[in-house]
Amino acid sequence: SDVLTQPPSVSVAPGKTARITCEGNNIGSKSVHWYQQKPGQAPVLVVYDDRDRPSGIPERFSGSNSGNTATLTISRVEAGDEADYYCQVWDSSSDHPVFGGGTKLTVL
Amino acid sequence: QVQLVQSGAEVKKPGASVKVSCKASGYTFTSYGINWVRQAPGQGLEWMGWISANNGDTSYAQKLQGRVTMTTDTSTSTAYMELKSLRSDDTAVYYCAKQSSNWSDASDIWGQGTMVTVSS
Repeated sequence: SDVLTQPPSVSVAPGKTARITCEGNNIGSKSVHWYQQKPGQAPVLVVYDDRDRPSGIPERFSGSNSGNTATLTISRVEAGDEADYYCQVWDSSSDHPVFGGGTKLTVL
Repeated sequence: QVQLVQSGAEVKKPGASVKVSCKASGYTFTSYGINWVRQAPGQGLEWMGWISANNGDTSYAQKLQGRVTMTTDTSTSTAYMELKSLRSDDTAVYYCAKQSSNWSDASDIWGQGTMVTVSS
C-alpha cells in the first residue's frame, strides 16, 4: 500500500509562507487532499483534488502536486493557522484512502 | 447547514462492543457516502471504512475486517459504526465524515468525534 511521508514539524514566522510536503511514490498521478486539525477539534478539509479549495477556505491555502511530492502552501501565515496538517490519497493497491503521518505547523 | 452530529463518549471493557452513531442534516443523506476515521491519542488519522448511504455497500480496512460493521438508517439519516472485541489499542476518537462527491474520496464535512476508551 501507499506510504505517505510528511515532515513531523514545520515552523514559520507570521506573515511568511509555509510549505508542507507529502511524499509518495508517483503521488503526482493521484489526487491529494489536505486537512487541517486544531487541538481538540475534528479535521477540516482545506484543499482537495491537489489544488481546489472548499468554500470558506481562504485563498492563502493552495496546493500543488507533481512527481513524488505534493505540497500544501500557506501564504501570509497567521497565528490561527497553527495546527496539524494531514495529506490523503486513494491507494489503488489496497483500494482505500491513506493518510500521511501529519505535520505540526508552528507559528513562531 | 450541513453537519454530522455524533453520539457521546463511551467507556468499555476489553472484549466488549461499542456502537457509535452519526446523524446527518442539511443535505440529502443518500447522495453521499460516509467514511469512518479514528485517531488514537497523540497519533495520526486512520481510515476505518466507508459505507454508501445510497445502497449500504461497505468497504473496511483490512486490519479491522471481522470486527467492524457499518450500517445506515436512511429513515433517520444516521450512520452507525460498531466495533466488537474491543482491545486497549482501540482507544481513540472516532470520526464520521461525509464524502465530498461520488467521484472524490475527500471528506468535506466531519462529525465532532466520539471518544471511545477501552479499559479494564
